[in-house]
Amino acid sequence: AQSVTQLGSHVSVSEGALVLLRCNYSSSVPPYLFWYVQYPNQGLQLLLKYTSAATLVKGINGFEAEFKKSETSFHLTKPSAHMSDAAEYFCAVSERGYRDDKIIFGKGTRLHILP
Amino acid sequence: DAGVTQSPTHLIKTRGQQVTLRCSPKSGHDTVSWYQQALGQGPQFIFQYYEEEERQRGNFPDRFSGHQFPNYSSELNVNALLLGDSALYLCASSPGDQETQYFGPGTRLLVL
Repeated sequence: AQSVTQLGSHVSVSEGALVLLRCNYSSSVPPYLFWYVQYPNQGLQLLLKYTSAATLVKGINGFEAEFKKSETSFHLTKPSAHMSDAAEYFCAVSERGYRDDKIIFGKGTRLHILP
Repeated sequence: DAGVTQSPTHLIKTRGQQVTLRCSPKSGHDTVSWYQQALGQGPQFIFQYYEEEERQRGNFPDRFSGHQFPNYSSELNVNALLLGDSALYLCASSPGDQETQYFGPGTRLLVL
């Protein structure tokens, strides 16, 4: 069964500092991996996705993530945090080879940006 | 191009009642998935509809049912509401040849 573990339910960084949100996955088949962001009282917005084309994936708003099969990780990073990055971030996995398969989400990490 | 839309935005019901939530997918998307997001949790997959049939289902009781119409829009029905059904219900759509799901803003359901 697939699963996703996000390390840290809350992460605080100073404005301008590096953002690192950790995600480890478990999947019996090569996975698709996603990062979604959720702003207060809103739905989910796709930040980036990994579908095997390249291990370093660049997304919107300056975020990127690196797929590391040996570590079963897909950590999200951003070189310099901005106040507008404060939100809830979800790592997610789905099984490759299945069209529009269900997405399994982690429990989320709330990112706080300190002025 | 309108994204995924959901209605209503908020809803208050009492225990034992029934509720219907609606979703219109992005233009060109033929697959609709529903998720439940309890407070402080990640979304959990309820079911997915394609070609007007339920294709996959998560670990939710039969009180949760759905429907997809010929225009690809979808409804989520929940019968015999419980307090624990209070959550944000998210609809996501995707085109037939892509793995990415696009989410709507959700319907926040409160069961009293």
